[in-house]
Amino acid sequence: TQLLEQSPQFLSIQEGENLTVYCNSSSVFSSLQWYRQEPGEGPVLLVTVVTGGEVKKLKRLTFQFGDARKDSSLHITAAQPGDTGLYLCAGLFWGDAGNMLTFGGGTRLMVKP
Amino acid sequence: KAGVTQTPRYLIKTRGQQVTLSCSPISGHRSVSWYQQTPGQGLQFLFEYFSETQRNKGNFPGRFSGRQFSNSRSEMNVSTLELGDSALYLCASSLGGEQPQHFGDGTRLSIL
Repeated sequence: TQLLEQSPQFLSIQEGENLTVYCNSSSVFSSLQWYRQEPGEGPVLLVTVVTGGEVKKLKRLTFQFGDARKDSSLHITAAQPGDTGLYLCAGLFWGDAGNMLTFGGGTRLMVKP
Repeated sequence: KAGVTQTPRYLIKTRGQQVTLSCSPISGHRSVSWYQQTPGQGLQFLFEYFSETQRNKGNFPGRFSGRQFSNSRSEMNVSTLELGDSALYLCASSLGGEQPQHFGDGTRLSIL
């Protein structure tokens, strides 16, 4: 069983602050995906990281995949109220038996104006 | 390009009944996966279908089943509903392989 530990579970910050969300596992994943989910909606894909050590930037969001492809982080610079939501990391295990996403427990972020 | 469509959006059932949920994947996507999301357990994998074949199954009882049709649309069935089955059921589709999964907005199932 592949497990993903995500931290912190909850984060409440002021607009303009920076934050980092961590996603750790003892398993190696084919790739790792970050999603954001808002109430009443399904998760929306933010980014996929595939290569160990890979860094991807999406405006104020920076995603990093660990060298061993077991961990990842999401850093948000100058957070805004619009960043509020549930952030989910998910490791993809892909093989002959198909593919399966294993999700972390999520980080609920609230950015106060 | 239309996204993943799940119907119905909301459903209320009573214990012992059965329910069927539907998912239409993104056009061209042949892999469809189902997940259960609850406040206590988070998102948990139910099963994955590819070209009408179940390739992967999560750790759920046999009351949870699914199928996929030749047009890649998928259905999920839960029989003998229990209170603990109350959850948001999410469907995701992908091209398969290592391609990312894209989610629908889910079906909110409430068991009374």
